[in-house]
Amino acid sequence: LAKTTQPISMDSYEGQEVNITCSHNNIATNDYITWYQQFPSQGPRFIIQGYKTKVTNEVASLFIPADRKSSTLSLPRVSLSDTAVYYCLVGDVQGSARQLTFGSGTQLTVLP
Amino acid sequence: DGGITQSPKYLFRKEGQNVTLSCEQNLNHDAMYWYRQDPGQGLRLIYYSQIVNDFQKGDIAEGYSVSREKKESFPLTVTSAQKNPTAFYLCASSLYDTVDGEQFFGPGTRLTVL
Repeated sequence: LAKTTQPISMDSYEGQEVNITCSHNNIATNDYITWYQQFPSQGPRFIIQGYKTKVTNEVASLFIPADRKSSTLSLPRVSLSDTAVYYCLVGDVQGSARQLTFGSGTQLTVLP
Repeated sequence: DGGITQSPKYLFRKEGQNVTLSCEQNLNHDAMYWYRQDPGQGLRLIYYSQIVNDFQKGDIAEGYSVSREKKESFPLTVTSAQKNPTAFYLCASSLYDTVDGEQFFGPGTRLTVL
């Protein structure tokens, strides 16, 4: 199973773009990359998922280089309400979701 | 409104008592999951169910039990055998048990053992 490594914490200011990078050096061919967001005392919420290159939705972008050994979640123009823990998960699309591991994640703090 | 609900939001239990946490979804999802989260930690999988009348142990199933008699319900029982049950419990569901399927989480139940 691919193991992921993320920074423990990051600080940013309102209005800035935030990039959170996740390393997954032993990612397998069929693995997809998924990001979730969790606010205190709430369940995580799906943000974005991708396999290669770039994926964009209404809240974030996901950049995946050609070797797929890392991925970067990009949050444009963050606000105070984006303060949360962000989880990077990697798993084989042909397998059960039980393989997805929510590690400690990255605590993003947005400052005024 | 479609969604996933958990009750109660807060639960207090005396040592030695069993307690059951409720999880209901009206999303018509086949797969359901129970996770445990300790302060400052990630989520750990307790049990999951890919389809009604079937469930599998996750990484930390000892001291817990589940049932899946109905598609929309997946209750978790924390038994007295669970050594350190105080934690935040999260239930989730997804259309199918696949990696590329979005998991929808409930609001959680915070269990405290007195």
